Amino acid sequence: AQSVTQLDSQVPVFEEAPVELRCNYSSSVSVYLFWYVQYPNQGLQLLLKYLSGSTLVESINGFEAEFNKSQTSFHLRKPSVHISDTAEYFCASLANAGGTSYGKLTFGQGTILTVHP
Amino acid sequence: DAGITQSPRHKVTETGTPVTLRCHQTENHRYMYWYRQDPGHGLRLIHYSYGVKDTDKGEVSDGYSVSRSKTEDFLLTLESATSSQTSVYFCAISRTDSWGDTIYFGEGSWLTVV
Repeated sequence: AQSVTQLDSQVPVFEEAPVELRCNYSSSVSVYLFWYVQYPNQGLQLLLKYLSGSTLVESINGFEAEFNKSQTSFHLRKPSVHISDTAEYFCASLANAGGTSYGKLTFGQGTILTVHP
Repeated sequence: DAGITQSPRHKVTETGTPVTLRCHQTENHRYMYWYRQDPGHGLRLIHYSYGVKDTDKGEVSDGYSVSRSKTEDFLLTLESATSSQTSVYFCAISRTDSWGDTIYFGEGSWLTVV
């Protein structure tokens, strides 16, 4: 069984400050990990993903996340946030079970990031 | 853009009535999914499909049924809607690219059961 825990339900920060959104996972098999972003009244957009290889993955808009197997974490970071980053962020895992996972994602509860001017 | 269209986008219905949500995709993907989103729970899988007429239950399937009679359409039916089924419903597809499988979501269907 898999589970994903996002440790903060809400994170308020000021514009241009750094931010970290925390995500821990639990799984009996190896996993792929994802961060999705949801702007108000919209669907989920893929922000970045870790499948294999380098443990540090980056998105096109300045976010990065590091896969830490020993700590079972996949925290999302950005060195300087903008007002437009205000959104809800979801961490998710997908079991790497040799094709039998059928793409079934397990989501965390979500973290609402609010960037204040 | 993952080529996913959900309909209706917003619906208000009365308790006890049947409701069907439609997910339409244009890219011939094999895998399709229905999730529901509720505050404090993230997204939870209701049902998924791995081919025409091939479906299976997810984490929260009670009170829901699905059908997939053709590749492009995946229907979610609430046979008798209840207030606990007030939620935002997301359809998703799995797309394989050079980086592996990634799940892409539709824009969502807001359902209110009164």
